[in-house]
Amino acid sequence: QQQVKQSPQSLIVQKGGISIINCAYENTAFDYFPWYQQFPGKGPALLIAIRPDVSEKKEGRFTISFNKSAKQFSLHIMDSQPGDSATYFCAATYYGNQFYFGTGTSLTVIP
Amino acid sequence: GAVVSQHPSRVICKSGTSVKIECRSLDFQATTMFWYRQFPKKSLMLMATSNEGSKATYEQGVEKDKFLINHASLTLSTLTVTSAHPEDSSFYICSARDTGGLAGAPNTGELFFGEGSRLTVL
Repeated sequence: QQQVKQSPQSLIVQKGGISIINCAYENTAFDYFPWYQQFPGKGPALLIAIRPDVSEKKEGRFTISFNKSAKQFSLHIMDSQPGDSATYFCAATYYGNQFYFGTGTSLTVIP
Repeated sequence: GAVVSQHPSRVICKSGTSVKIECRSLDFQATTMFWYRQFPKKSLMLMATSNEGSKATYEQGVEKDKFLINHASLTLSTLTVTSAHPEDSSFYICSARDTGGLAGAPNTGELFFGEGSRLTVL
């Protein structure tokens, strides 16, 4: 059973636009929700993460929105750039447990 | 930020040989490390959870005798692909959970990934 569901599978955005990737989870015990960015041939890199005590976290052009009641969280990339083209994974975990990953979103930002 | 070093980044071997991949947490302690396998354009498939000082926990369908995992210290885990075959060719990625800084800094619980190892079995 997929613990974390991610959509869309792929996304094409114009340069300067907003990229939005969504994730949903079922386990209410999850208390840490990170997003990872992966370039081809590289390992994933932690991009931004949120805990359920806040509804939004912003770091530069990247924002996580968290809706605890709906059990959903999303990544927003403002002013998307071609260099943002990568695969993005959402994840969820609670301390001491494994991380559960979404299936990934391939983002392409066209100039 | 925390760094996880994975080596080698690329390895080509002949069928039937064994290959060892190392995963090191450079500036934090990691009592738990994870090994993943990733196919092209696919998500991360958890193979096993490596626990320092104890046996690894393997996911269903992963052969423990084929993928040997050793986690001998708080900063090092190794994955050995034994008697490799072409179907073992893949991108293997390790990750380490920050359970405490080497200088006594509090742990963050965050997960950091190595750069991955591309295995090609001829």
